Amino acid sequence: ELKVEQNPLFLSMQEGKNYTIYCNYSTTSDRLYWYRQDPGKSLESLFVLLSNGAVKQEGRLMASLDTKARLSTLHITAAVHDLSATYFCAVFDSGYALNFGKGTSLLVTP
Amino acid sequence: DGGITQSPKYLFRKEGQNVTLSCEQNLNHDAMYWYRQDPGQGLRLIYYSQIVNDFQKGDIAEGYSVSREKKESFPLTVTSAQKNPTAFYLCASSLDLIEQYFGPGTRLTVT
Repeated sequence: ELKVEQNPLFLSMQEGKNYTIYCNYSTTSDRLYWYRQDPGKSLESLFVLLSNGAVKQEGRLMASLDTKARLSTLHITAAVHDLSATYFCAVFDSGYALNFGKGTSLLVTP
Repeated sequence: DGGITQSPKYLFRKEGQNVTLSCEQNLNHDAMYWYRQDPGQGLRLIYYSQIVNDFQKGDIAEGYSVSREKKESFPLTVTSAQKNPTAFYLCASSLDLIEQYFGPGTRLTVT
């Protein structure tokens, strides 16, 4: 059974600081996804990582994938309040569906 | 506009009643999915369908049923057999099995 673990689960950070969220998964997969969820809302796709060494950046967020280590990171640069949300990583499981981590709840404070 | 719609946004039911959640997409996607989200948790797969008239159980299918009579529609019925049905339900669809697009969700409360 594929397990996906995120850490930390809760993160409070000051505006302007940098931080990294980690996503580990237990079995081989070549697809990893990062989503953002605002309170009471649906999921918004941030990044799709499809190969070892893939790195994608959008604004203050950068995601990377190391399939050999079964690890993905979501790096936040110079955080701003608008980034406050819950971030999920998900791994493709057996070619048909996504297996999600529990999410990292991020709060960016002044 | 292309997209996925779910209705209603909020749904309240008494325990023991079956309830059906709607999911419609006009993206011409073959695959559709139902996920459940509980507070502080990630999403868990209930059912998925890759083509019309075919669907498969996910990790937590007990107490749920689905149908896929049309490509655009994938309704989910929460039956009285589901022991803890109160949750946020998300429908998704995919064209190429690479990226899934999520609907706005239905929040079901059963008392």
